[in-house]
Amino acid sequence: IVLTQSPGALSLSPGERATLSCRASQNINSNYLAWYQQKPGQAPRLLMYGSSNRATGIPDRFSGSGSGRDFTLTISRVEPEDFAVYYCQHYGDSPLFTFGPGTTVDIK
Amino acid sequence: QVQLQESGPGLVRPSETLSLTCAVSGDFLSHYYWSWIRQPPGKGLEWIGYISHSGNPNYNPSLKSRFSLSIDTSKKQFSLTLNFVTAADTAFYYCARTTSGWTSNFDYWGRGLLVTVSS
Repeated sequence: IVLTQSPGALSLSPGERATLSCRASQNINSNYLAWYQQKPGQAPRLLMYGSSNRATGIPDRFSGSGSGRDFTLTISRVEPEDFAVYYCQHYGDSPLFTFGPGTTVDIK
Repeated sequence: QVQLQESGPGLVRPSETLSLTCAVSGDFLSHYYWSWIRQPPGKGLEWIGYISHSGNPNYNPSLKSRFSLSIDTSKKQFSLTLNFVTAADTAFYYCARTTSGWTSNFDYWGRGLLVTVSS
């Protein structure tokens, strides 16, 4: 299964809404879709798991949704610390884990 | 709190063997899988493989057979070995705790180690 993310980059002002898309090459189980945030010079951090469950310590401005092939990560109001690269990840067959190419959210 | 820390050389010569270790603190190695993930500078993430607490590995088949994973539960660490490195293996290497069950993802990560392959 191949994951495609769009847009490749998103320029926003603080306070704006961010909508990031992750599309799978075929239908997937939403339990096996996760999102990560990576800031420069840091390791990725788990944001969402099971498509719509926030990981520990993740603020509620982050939400996830989707089913089938299409999944969305939404940041209701972007804060300065949210500017980063976001990856979706799927747990499947072979290889067990695949990542999307990422969406960069930067400051307009 | 769970912490992971990678260690190993930052520079390896082409065709040599790379060995990395991930030390785990704040958790036992049982009940989870333990993964290695790499990221070439400025590029995306690639899962290399994981190893279970009982020593059973699972590898990304696209990476062929140059990788080998092992675990030492008594030392609370797991390791990666990569044979015959090339410049294409230059990357940040991360170790990560891998959950399993109704969902599966990487919930704790090490800070990463940049490995450069160069003569």
